[in-house]
Amino acid sequence: SQTIHQWPATLVQPVGSPLSLECTVEGTSNPNLYWYRQAAGRGLQLLFYSVGIGQISSEVPQNLSASRPQDRQFILSSKKLLLSDSGFYLCAWSVRKNTEAFFGQGTRLTVV
Amino acid sequence: AQKVTQAQTEISVVEKEDVTLDCVYETRDTTYYLFWYKQPPSGELVFLIRRNSFDEQNEISGRYSWNFQKSTSSFNFTITASQVVDSAVYFCALIWSSASKIIFGSGTRLSIRP
Repeated sequence: SQTIHQWPATLVQPVGSPLSLECTVEGTSNPNLYWYRQAAGRGLQLLFYSVGIGQISSEVPQNLSASRPQDRQFILSSKKLLLSDSGFYLCAWSVRKNTEAFFGQGTRLTVV
Repeated sequence: AQKVTQAQTEISVVEKEDVTLDCVYETRDTTYYLFWYKQPPSGELVFLIRRNSFDEQNEISGRYSWNFQKSTSSFNFTITASQVVDSAVYFCALIWSSASKIIFGSGTRLSIRP
């Protein structure tokens, strides 16, 4: 069966520090991968999605970047965090286009 | 433009009442897929259902039912005989055939009072 791992679960980082959140999927190959952000009490904002290794689509220009160095690994990064980067970050995968996505447990990031 | 609207920000009902969560979508594609997800307090999103644009049959799963109406671009979700464990944020989502990304509505926070 397929599983998705996302870590860390919580993170407190100072403004200006770098960020690296990692997500891996097991039990499937060539998944579509997604990064979403959820601000407190708000909806889900799609940040990046990837349909294959090295293929990244950015939805919102901002202080973040994503990379997919391996088929089942998706990384969200920032060189210098801003206060506005605080939020709940969710990684998700889907088996192919037009199917449901399955989510990781999320990372709660607080930038102080 | 592609869009999902959940006009109900918060709903609060007493346990055992029926409750309907509304979802209205917009898309230019004739082939698309709609979803509902549940987000309990733990934060992880749990997939509930997928519906294809060419299948307007309503679906029932236990106390949950979904009503898909293309004529009104709606995909509403009803919980019958609600329970406290149903308390969560519920999201409606859309993906269209020419895209590879899922977009979500803003969510409805459902509180079931004992």
